[in-house]
Amino acid sequence: GEDVEQSLFLSVREGDSSVINCTYTDSSSTYLYWYKQEPGAGLQLLTYIFSNMDMKQDQRLTVLLNKKDKHLSLRIADTQTGDSAIYFCAETATSGTYKYIFGTGTRLKVLA
Amino acid sequence: DSGVTQTPKHLITATGQRVTLRCSPRSGDLSVYWYQQSLDQGLQFLIQYYNGEERAKGNILERFSAQQFPDLHSELNLSSLELGDSALYFCASSAETPGQIEKLFFGSGTQLSVL
Repeated sequence: GEDVEQSLFLSVREGDSSVINCTYTDSSSTYLYWYKQEPGAGLQLLTYIFSNMDMKQDQRLTVLLNKKDKHLSLRIADTQTGDSAIYFCAETATSGTYKYIFGTGTRLKVLA
Repeated sequence: DSGVTQTPKHLITATGQRVTLRCSPRSGDLSVYWYQQSLDQGLQFLIQYYNGEERAKGNILERFSAQQFPDLHSELNLSSLELGDSALYFCASSAETPGQIEKLFFGSGTQLSVL
């Protein structure tokens, strides 16, 4: 079945890079996503990558995809205190029951 | 502002009761998703509707039900409430346009407390 896993916590110092990791199980995933949830708010789409890509860069964000290992990562360069939030990876697949599956979420804490 | 409206923002009720959570999707979005977020289980997919029809079902309890109305708003009904049902319930909508990436737009959630 579909399953998406992430580590629960990450703490970094302001100005350092953050790397948030995610593993997924559905090899038919077509898109993989990163969402951000700030305190007291719903999730917002940060970025996404198509499954035939290895890397995508968007300003301070770099997404890396290793399809062989079913591993997705989000790197945030020059992490700021405003980046403190919960980050969710998610996948969608076209096989089986169509669902949008989220990981457990990684709580990023940025220390000043 | 995501354009997705959820009401109420907070709900406090007692065990055994029944509540209804409401969601209005973004204008034009046909697809509505419901998720439950709790501290120990992360974000759990409950159910998805598309243009009034149930599209997919996740870890939704039999005590819970949902529907999407002709005007595309959706309601999630939770009955025989238990303490463990206390959680943040999110609604999300998407356009689900064929051939395009599907982006979910989330409401700010309904915080349910069962006492």
